[in-house]
Amino acid sequence: AQSVTQPDIHITVSEGASLELRCNYSYGATPYLFWYVQSPGQGLQLLLKYFSGDTLVQGIKGFEAEFKRSQSSFNLRKPSVHWSDAAEYFCAVGAILTGGGNKLTFGTGTQLKVEL
Amino acid sequence: SAVISQKPSRDICQRGTSLTIQCQVDSQVTMMFWYRQQPGQSLTLIATANQGSEATYESGFVIDKFPISRPNLTFSTLTVSNMSPEDSSIYLCSVEEAGRGTEAFFGQGTRLTVV
Repeated sequence: AQSVTQPDIHITVSEGASLELRCNYSYGATPYLFWYVQSPGQGLQLLLKYFSGDTLVQGIKGFEAEFKRSQSSFNLRKPSVHWSDAAEYFCAVGAILTGGGNKLTFGTGTQLKVEL
Repeated sequence: SAVISQKPSRDICQRGTSLTIQCQVDSQVTMMFWYRQQPGQSLTLIATANQGSEATYESGFVIDKFPISRPNLTFSTLTVSNMSPEDSSIYLCSVEEAGRGTEAFFGQGTRLTVV
């Protein structure tokens, strides 16, 4: 069964500083990988996804993530954080369901706080 | 992207009662999913709901506790039955659009508190 580990529960960065959120996954085949962001009182918004091809994936809001198969990692990065990026970030791995569709297994999330 | 509306957005319920959560999508979608997010925890898939067939439940979730309906390609309901305080969670509806592969979209969730 697939699993996702986000080792950092909370991270605090200063506005304008760079950001890296860690994600490690366990999956028996080539994974589908996702990063979602959840703002207070909001649903989840997809930041970016990796299915295949280029291992450096660009997403919305200036985020990017790099798939490293040898490390089973899919870390999220942003070169300069904005105060509006404060939210909870979830990494997820997708597995194809027998009946179709994609089951997402989520990590426990990383709460990002941005100091002004 | 699909726009998903969930009702209610929040509710406080008495233990032993049931609550039905509605999920409406603005376009036809093949796959609909229900997730639970317990306080301070991550999201866990409850079941997959396809139109015209019985929902498929994940380990630890049963139909008697979480009956699901999927009458058409734009609507689904999840009922939380015989509630206890342990059912206090955020329940989220998710969809995958036909032709968009495995990209999932989420509703804003229903925050349920059982007292």
